[in-house]
Amino acid sequence: GENVEQHPSTLSVQEGDSAVIKCTYSDSASNYFPWYKQELGKGPQLIIDIRSNVGEKKDQRIAVTLNKTAKHFSLHITETQPEDSAVYFCAASYSGNTPLVFGKGTRLSVIA
Amino acid sequence: DARVTQTPRHKVTEMGQEVTMRCQPILGHNTVFWYRQTMMQGLELLAYFRNRAPLDDSGMPKDRFSAEMPDATLATLKIQPSEPRDSAVYFCASAAGGYGYTFGSGTRLTVV
Repeated sequence: GENVEQHPSTLSVQEGDSAVIKCTYSDSASNYFPWYKQELGKGPQLIIDIRSNVGEKKDQRIAVTLNKTAKHFSLHITETQPEDSAVYFCAASYSGNTPLVFGKGTRLSVIA
Repeated sequence: DARVTQTPRHKVTEMGQEVTMRCQPILGHNTVFWYRQTMMQGLELLAYFRNRAPLDDSGMPKDRFSAEMPDATLATLKIQPSEPRDSAVYFCASAAGGYGYTFGSGTRLTVV
């Protein structure tokens, strides 16, 4: 089955700097890669996703890149703000027909 | 915004007791997932349903866990008997097909 590895487990950045979180997956058939943000006491919330027919997707300060050959994808957050502090999860599935398999999460702290 | 509703939010119970967690998926979503979140294992899939039919419950300890969807507006997860190692946050998520999961706020279970 699919296995998703996520790095780093914790990340601290200064406000205004960029943050990058990386994930690798094992199943070459996977083609859907969402990212979720989880704030304290809440459920994970979808922030951006990418499908394997594109290599990059951007939404304001957030971007995701995908390298299918290397089987890795990354989340990029620019101009970080204190409200970006949360736990971020990457995930992977095949065409949405198999359940998402999640990485272990990255705790991002943005220091004002 | 449409949301997934989970009850109860918190549950403290004694070892050996039955626990029932409930989930109301978003109206129109045909796929419902149960995930368990722990510090050590992260987000693990327990079971999921599509159009109310169970598709996979291989992530659940069969002898004590059961998941059902008595109708399209209700999914339940039961643990009987509960054990201390079941202490975790249990999330329900729903989706239209396999994309764009919406998670509930979770049930924090403590078994003493």
